[in-house]
Amino acid sequence: AQSVTQLGSHVSVSEGALVLLRCNYSSSVPPYLFWYVQYPNQGLQLLLKYTTGATLVKGINGFEAEFKKSETSFHLTKPSAHMSDAAEYFCAVYTGNQFYFGTGTSLTVIP
Amino acid sequence: DTGVSQNPRHKITKRGQNVTFRCDPISEHNRLYWYRQTLGQGPEFLTYFQNEAQLEKSRLLSDRFSAERPKGSFSTLEIQRTEQGDSAMYLCASSLAEGVTEAFFGQGTRLTVV
Repeated sequence: AQSVTQLGSHVSVSEGALVLLRCNYSSSVPPYLFWYVQYPNQGLQLLLKYTTGATLVKGINGFEAEFKKSETSFHLTKPSAHMSDAAEYFCAVYTGNQFYFGTGTSLTVIP
Repeated sequence: DTGVSQNPRHKITKRGQNVTFRCDPISEHNRLYWYRQTLGQGPEFLTYFQNEAQLEKSRLLSDRFSAERPKGSFSTLEIQRTEQGDSAMYLCASSLAEGVTEAFFGQGTRLTVV
């Protein structure tokens, strides 16, 4: 069975501070992992993905994530938060025929 | 091609009415997915197509929900006899079937049942 757990439904950071959004997964098959961002009343936009190879993945807007098999984690980070990063972030695992999403983390950036 | 297009963007309907949503995927994408998203939750998988074949529909929420993709291009999602609990954002996404590629999402159709 596949599932995704995002720890912390709400995260607040100061502008310029480190962003860390946590994601743990459960998968019966080798996981393909994704982070998506959603702005209000919009669809989801891909930030980055891990399929195979290098475990540190870089995405758009300065975000990156590291796949740690031993910890079954795929946490999303950004060294310095910007006001435009305020949004909802979703971690997802792909099984070959569908994406399973976590419940999301709402990121607030404080000026 | 500008991405996945969904129509309408918003739909308000009275309880008991039928509604139909349309999704136009990215033209070269042969996979098409439907998801439902309620407030404060992640997208919940409903069904998907590869070309015109509906390969998974067991996650459709009830027999009031049905989806079609008759020519392997656009798709429709119909909800019959709507209930207030059907109020949600309905998201469509498309992708290539080969390899592990990301799904590209439309902006969604927000349904409100009154």
